[in-house]
Amino acid sequence: GAVVSQHPSWVICKSGTSVKIECRSLDFQATTMFWYRQFPKQSLMLMATSNEGSKATYEQGVEKDKFLINHASLTLSTLTVTSAHPEDSSFYICSALDTSSYNEQFFGPGTRLTVL
Amino acid sequence: GENVEQHPSTLSVQEGDSAVIKCTYSDSASNYFPWYKQELGKRPQLIIDIRSNVGEKKDQRIAVTLNKTAKHFSLHITETQPEDSAVYFCAATHTGGFKTIFGAGTRLFVKA
Repeated sequence: GAVVSQHPSWVICKSGTSVKIECRSLDFQATTMFWYRQFPKQSLMLMATSNEGSKATYEQGVEKDKFLINHASLTLSTLTVTSAHPEDSSFYICSALDTSSYNEQFFGPGTRLTVL
Repeated sequence: GENVEQHPSTLSVQEGDSAVIKCTYSDSASNYFPWYKQELGKRPQLIIDIRSNVGEKKDQRIAVTLNKTAKHFSLHITETQPEDSAVYFCAATHTGGFKTIFGAGTRLFVKA
């Protein structure tokens, strides 16, 4: 199957700082990528849909000014958590849609964010 | 919008027994229903999926059934093994709209 990478795999930061997470589709072009957040023992909650060359579509309750998404190329989407606080600590997972494979979603390995 | 409910939240079975996880969805426009297995700290892995034009699909020990009229779909794992222990998520989406909504997850324990 297609490969999606995420970087970093884990990050620890101080409260008030910003953290950027990268999601890359390595062997296919992805016009659409998704960002999810997963708290311990909970399901994946969709945060936003990232479309190449246009603004992201955020789910209800997700602050677009706090979670900045940029999808500047067909293989890269970035999520920036601005002014992170301890309650933002979570597992962030991206996925990329492979339109050549019946729109199957391929997930990145996830980024564990811990805000002190 | 779409809402997916999943039951049970926890399931414990003896090795060799079958496990069944059930999900319901609300949006009749959804036409693609994947199932994912997630191990602790790892990404979800697609284990089987079904499209709305099919009622049942099987892949070795794993099968999925879909009842479009009732808007529910189920995952069946036969001859369970300890390595099947994980969290399983159902999901529903529309291939045109692409947004995928996940169920709450089922934590499966297979006792040796």
